[in-house]
Amino acid sequence: DAMVIQNPRYQVTQFGKPVTLSCSQTLNHNVMYWYQQKSSQAPKLLFHYYDKDFNNEADTPDNFQSRRPNTSFCFLDIRSPGLGDAAMYLCATSIRGLTSNQPQHFGDGTRLSIL
Amino acid sequence: DQQVKQNSPSLSVQEGRISILNCDYTNSMFDYFLWYKKYPAEGPTFLISISSIKDKNEDGRFTVFLNKSAKHLSLHIVPSQPGDSAVYFCAARYGGATNKLIFGTGTLLAVQP
Repeated sequence: DAMVIQNPRYQVTQFGKPVTLSCSQTLNHNVMYWYQQKSSQAPKLLFHYYDKDFNNEADTPDNFQSRRPNTSFCFLDIRSPGLGDAAMYLCATSIRGLTSNQPQHFGDGTRLSIL
Repeated sequence: DQQVKQNSPSLSVQEGRISILNCDYTNSMFDYFLWYKKYPAEGPTFLISISSIKDKNEDGRFTVFLNKSAKHLSLHIVPSQPGDSAVYFCAARYGGATNKLIFGTGTLLAVQP
């Protein structure tokens, strides 16, 4: 089945130690998104890629970076994680286009804990 | 400032009855609205959507209603089943071609057998 896969499902890192979360997709969608979701809050968009074009949300901290080496893979890098970065990180994909009322498809997320 | 609001954190319904989940929004530029369902330890899965030019969309047991003048949408589930127990997120598209979404905080639906 075509899907969005996030690895690892659970990640523990130390305060200030860089961490990378990964996302892969078999849907061949041209847009990939990263969301942060804290407990009982709405998923919040951090950034998205349209093909190789990177689009940062205005309020995304500089501590968060992303890479998309090819259509299938996208990475979220947190350069110096703080305690406030502990959250669920969700990856999603979709097809871009004004006439494309296609929903976003989500992975199962990575739960990040900071020690 | 939350542009998409789900004011009921939780809802409990008896099996077989109707579940009504509500969502309010503030931005009249949203052009497309979606509902997602989320089980514990899984990502959100798409449930149903509606374009801003329509007022109703139906898919089996699920119907979404849109009231643009009130900036309100609702999801009706009839009849409710225990397997419908999950968190339901309302989302609104604001990015046009980029398909960017703003989500509400979710409503936890519990369907009692």
